[in-house]
Amino acid sequence: NAGVTQTPKFQVLKTGQSMTLQCAQDMNHNSMYWYRQDPGMGLRLIYYSASEGTTDKGEVPNGYNVSRLNKREFSLRLESAAPSQTSVYFCASSDPPGQDGGNQPQHFGDGTRLSIL
Amino acid sequence: AQSVSQHNHHVILSEAASLELGCNYSYGGTVNLFWYVQYPGQHLQLLLKYFSGDPLVKGIKGFEAEFIKSKFSFNLRKPSVQWSDTAENFCAVNPYSGGYQKVTFGTGTKLQVIP
Repeated sequence: NAGVTQTPKFQVLKTGQSMTLQCAQDMNHNSMYWYRQDPGMGLRLIYYSASEGTTDKGEVPNGYNVSRLNKREFSLRLESAAPSQTSVYFCASSDPPGQDGGNQPQHFGDGTRLSIL
Repeated sequence: AQSVSQHNHHVILSEAASLELGCNYSYGGTVNLFWYVQYPGQHLQLLLKYFSGDPLVKGIKGFEAEFIKSKFSFNLRKPSVQWSDTAENFCAVNPYSGGYQKVTFGTGTKLQVIP
């Protein structure tokens, strides 16, 4: 059981280049998320998809786009990379809220270290 | 909107010392609370969670946390830390609701345990 798989693990880009980070989960979770992790700032939500067919902006969506391709896959695209987007990117997934209304814990991938020169 | 504060950014302890990491949140309603741990070079993993019921929750690896509603706190504790507990710990909170609500993470506390 692989859980949440992210590709690539490392990437170096030049300013202005574009790329797509891939994420797939095999836990049949409805909800998926993209975060960026920067020193001293914790995890900040970029975009999330509460269920297949829906996506919503998080805390720091500027410069990013997402696609919920199907229930398993949720990709993050940088159209024109900027040095400020140098970060570690984590994808996560979770079950939908339980019948008692409680949001479920998130399962994280191993991350993508992205450097933009 | 909710927010989370972790006041300790870096904690250094000797093995066998007791640990308490602070987490305070701001939100007027009912919340779900989580602690996640990130070991060096790894992804975040769930340590423990609080949804309702007993405010003292136990997690993996001997960690526990106490929810004190009046103080808006959810501090993480461990009676005796080990070198293998060296990691970054994140507190997270999200409103309790019948639908999806975003989770907000704290900025993290780096725990360094010295053998």
